Amino acid sequence: QQQVKQSPQSLIVQKGGISIINCAYENTAFDYFPWYQQFPGKGPALLIAIRPDVSEKKEGRFTISFNKSAKQFSLHIMDSQPGDSATYFCAASIKSNYQLIWGAGTKLIIKP
Amino acid sequence: EAQVTQNPRYLITVTGKKLTVTCSQNMNHEYMSWYRQDPGLGLRQIYYSMNVEVTDKGDVPEGYKVSRKEKRNFPLILESPSPNQTSLYFCASSRLSGDPSYEQYFGPGTRLTVT
Repeated sequence: QQQVKQSPQSLIVQKGGISIINCAYENTAFDYFPWYQQFPGKGPALLIAIRPDVSEKKEGRFTISFNKSAKQFSLHIMDSQPGDSATYFCAASIKSNYQLIWGAGTKLIIKP
Repeated sequence: EAQVTQNPRYLITVTGKKLTVTCSQNMNHEYMSWYRQDPGLGLRQIYYSMNVEVTDKGDVPEGYKVSRKEKRNFPLILESPSPNQTSLYFCASSRLSGDPSYEQYFGPGTRLTVT
């Protein structure tokens, strides 16, 4: 009930392509869905986040798509660049307890 | 500069030798948390604190202790480390109110090896 399932575990995309990472959850009480980006040797950093009252949020080349009925959300990286190579984590939270439930992570490699 | 600091960054120790990993934040955040990161398992929460003197267990608290005597500091204590605690550890902090209130700020990580 508390899990967030993330796929794929790893992803290789050509420069300029679209990177897509998917997450699914079970707990309908989740009300905040962030994506974190982690570069090697660094801690994760918030990339973009969405709440369930909207179906899409875009910030530059990064877009979250949210499907409430399917209990799924995804990160799309348009025009992927080598500098986007990192590990991406999706997460979910319930406002009442502030804890983030994390996906297992996706290692993204953008080939030049 | 707003930041979360952790020390040490790297630590190699032996089974049973008590150790402390320090964590400090300068953003006046109420919420602090410790995670461990292992390949294929993502981030798993060890302990968290919502205020001074208030701590609670996360998903994997066995073998760990924490304390929150001051708002800015949240040390992680391993009383008797074992090899299965070899991992990458992250401290994080966030506000509990305001918008956005959920963003967690992470430290640079501590790579712990227990032999």
